[in-house]
Amino acid sequence: DSGVTQTPKHLITATGQRVTLRCSPRSGDLSVYWYQQSLDQGLQFLIQYYNGEERAKGNILERFSAQQFPDLHSELNLSSLELGDSALYFCASSQSPLHTEAFFGQGTRLTVV
Amino acid sequence: AQTVTQSQPEMSVQEAETVTLSCTYDTSESNYYLFWYKQPPSRQMILVIRQEAYKQQNATENRFSVNFQKAAKSFSLKISDSQLGDTAMYFCAFMIKGGGSQGNLIFGKGTKLSVKP
Repeated sequence: DSGVTQTPKHLITATGQRVTLRCSPRSGDLSVYWYQQSLDQGLQFLIQYYNGEERAKGNILERFSAQQFPDLHSELNLSSLELGDSALYFCASSQSPLHTEAFFGQGTRLTVV
Repeated sequence: AQTVTQSQPEMSVQEAETVTLSCTYDTSESNYYLFWYKQPPSRQMILVIRQEAYKQQNATENRFSVNFQKAAKSFSLKISDSQLGDTAMYFCAFMIKGGGSQGNLIFGKGTKLSVKP
């Protein structure tokens, strides 16, 4: 158990819908990262937060947004869902960006039908 | 931009044997980190080993070791005395050191390793 909790574990939704994925980082970790794992694109970095502030953006679509709350949990919002958004979404956390060991959650499997 | 290439989509090895997984990367950065992550069927991403680019000594963690060739931009993973529990997808990953990108991992496509009894 990495200490990073992601909910829900599985999610099935229809095209055009909006979903929210939740991540609770390890106790004491201030940095949260979101990654998408799909068959087409592999594992891709989406976005990074540090202590509530967005720090870096990767290949995140405009239909996707995220935030990190004062209690340090994070949410990834996916809207206007398309079939191609079906993927495994991982959250990872680390003490800070300077700490290179990131601990991954078990992911949320999103299926868009 | 940084890229990571794993040229072996699948590999298999007999239990107790040794196997080497290949990884090459491309970057113009001089300070960075390299990682190998393991993803078993449970889909949990687990850090196997980490190497800092400025360290010439190859990292070792128990049965896992790397061969880091900075000039060739090569970072292979050797698994000795393979065990059934080593069956997993293995991802090579790159991270820039310093600046706003530190913390963000760039992954290769992965190598599926099967350990056979």
